[in-house]
Amino acid sequence: EADIYQTPRYLVIGTGKKITLECSQTMGHDKMYWYQQDPGMELHLIHYSYGVNSTEKGDLSSESTVSRIRTEHFPLTLESARPSHTSQYLCASSGSGTPASNEQYFGPGTRLTVT
Amino acid sequence: KQEVTQIPAALSVPEGENLVLNCSFTDSAIYNLQWFRQDPGKGLTSLLLIQSSQREQTSGRLNASLDKSSGRSTLYIAASQPGDSATYLCAVRLKGSGNTGKLIFGQGTTLQVKP
Repeated sequence: EADIYQTPRYLVIGTGKKITLECSQTMGHDKMYWYQQDPGMELHLIHYSYGVNSTEKGDLSSESTVSRIRTEHFPLTLESARPSHTSQYLCASSGSGTPASNEQYFGPGTRLTVT
Repeated sequence: KQEVTQIPAALSVPEGENLVLNCSFTDSAIYNLQWFRQDPGKGLTSLLLIQSSQREQTSGRLNASLDKSSGRSTLYIAASQPGDSATYLCAVRLKGSGNTGKLIFGQGTTLQVKP
């Protein structure tokens, strides 16, 4: 059973607002990821982190930013939300070491709607 | 550039049927392949992880195979049940991904099992 949490699950917000999507995991995983998924479309990696104080941009360009101050916490921030940011955001984590630890575990997702 | 394709995009079967979902990838230099299940509006649940050195993995009624040389994986579901209705995603981790563990996802196959 994976222990990775995302809040809020659903968010409806007006254009121009600053928002932070929270993601936490209790598995001690060093790697964490943020994916964006539009309805009926595939997941695209927008940010990832190797560990504390390391963040990298993913394959899909995103106006969001992330931080990794603690191993268990990987928040994503949008400074000024726009309707084009409407999507589902999925957080994931994985460990290191044994091949089995490479399995990625996903949170329940945050469905963001910007009006 | 690695591309992951899943066929068919949608599948509807009567309860009790055995079925096969297909996943193909263009670059055979993969580290592993992972099958996920996604229920509508939810996050992803990991089903099976196959390392590049393995040919198949089994979990309950699920069996996943991997043929790296031909760039293919299949997910076999035995004796399908209405509760199996969901979108099934495959994802590959490239060998060149180093320490990142980044996954490349297919678009998924949406399965409906009718009672």
